[in-house]
Amino acid sequence: EDQVTQSPEALRLQEGESSSLNCSYTVSGLRGLFWYRQDPGKGPEFLFTLYSAGEEKEKERLKATLTKKESFLHITAPKPEDSATYLCAVGGGYSNYQLIWGAGTKLIIKP
Amino acid sequence: EADIYQTPRYLVIGTGKKITLECSQTMGHDKMYWYQQDPGMELHLIHYSYGVNSTEKGDLSSESTVSRIRTEHFPLTLESARPSHTSQYLCASSGGTAAYEQYFGPGTRLTVT
Repeated sequence: EDQVTQSPEALRLQEGESSSLNCSYTVSGLRGLFWYRQDPGKGPEFLFTLYSAGEEKEKERLKATLTKKESFLHITAPKPEDSATYLCAVGGGYSNYQLIWGAGTKLIIKP
Repeated sequence: EADIYQTPRYLVIGTGKKITLECSQTMGHDKMYWYQQDPGMELHLIHYSYGVNSTEKGDLSSESTVSRIRTEHFPLTLESARPSHTSQYLCASSGGTAAYEQYFGPGTRLTVT
């Protein structure tokens, strides 16, 4: 069964304390792994797409990596404005163009 | 500027009313989606469309209906709103070479009293 599992459910960090969020997936025929940021009451904001194991993408303090079974979103020296829920999704399997979504990790950065 | 628009952003309405949530995109995408999301919960796909006059129901059973008469427009209609329909409704689109890469609108927060 195609599925996406994100961990932890919530993560509290001090400003400047680096950490990583995990997204484990099982899908037949990966067509992309996607990371989004969602602020309360708003639509998800697209961050990255990763297509193959070993691929890495960076944007400001965020870096996404991909293996054959999981993806990590590394946050380096986070600031309070990085607080949000981070969603992971995969495309592929038998769900034509539909994404399989994880439940998200709620990240709180304390000043 | 390429974007996805949803109106209204907030709607409070009484039980039994008919409502239409609007979604338009200037992304040039052929695929559009409606999701339902309760606060702090997962996204659930309720409808999708891969082109004009093509609509399908998603994984989450919904009493809403959709139409796709124009490529850029994908409205969602509830014929008779109920309190159980209270939720956030998110519209998204995708297309081109990155056909799985979805972009979202700001959402409509619906409250049925």
